[in-house]
Amino acid sequence: DADVTQTPRNRITKTGKRIMLECSQTKGHDRMYWYRQDPGLGLQLIYYSFDVKDINKGEISDGYSVSRQAQAKFSLSLESAIPNQTALYFCATSQNGGNYNEQFFGPGTRLTVL
Amino acid sequence: DQQVKQNSPSLSVQEGRISILNCDYTNSMFDYFLWYKKYPAEGPTFLISISSIKDKNEDGRFTVFLNKSAKHLSLHIVPSQPGDSAVYFCAASDSGGSNYKLTFGKGTLLTVNP
Repeated sequence: DADVTQTPRNRITKTGKRIMLECSQTKGHDRMYWYRQDPGLGLQLIYYSFDVKDINKGEISDGYSVSRQAQAKFSLSLESAIPNQTALYFCATSQNGGNYNEQFFGPGTRLTVL
Repeated sequence: DQQVKQNSPSLSVQEGRISILNCDYTNSMFDYFLWYKKYPAEGPTFLISISSIKDKNEDGRFTVFLNKSAKHLSLHIVPSQPGDSAVYFCAASDSGGSNYKLTFGKGTLLTVNP
């Protein structure tokens, strides 16, 4: 079974709709992240969380919000989706101590906003 | 301002030969570097890393070289295999500062021809 899972894997929605992407992990890691990837670009950090009570904005947080419901769950919401939020979204985790640099990624959610 | 650059969008090599993927960075505070591999429809997976206190790290067929004075690192794959065909991302972090954050390059698509 995958250590980091994302649902849904694919989603097509319309402009103005609210969308939630979910991430769950069984790795027992405290740190969780949300990234987006656009064609030809690297991964850009949207939000990150070091524990349930700690939420921080990344470099491209505008238009997004997150919720850390439990150590194992981190959700990303688009309150009012727009076409330029069409992208591939990845959730990732890392441990708090030791090699916290090494992040483990989920399989991604492909989101299309029409 | 792109702090991690992978200037070659793609690279094609013959099976059994060496693949060399390059990465340049501009932020002198980066002290930990990672390579991730990504297959289509999957999330990135960690491949190999190197700390700035080293200039080489080897793991099986994969070796990463770091040249701090040139702010350059490279990933060598020897011998290359068709299963190595994937997008490779270089990533860097500043452990002493924003230790939450990996800064990614745009990726290089490696194709290994049988």
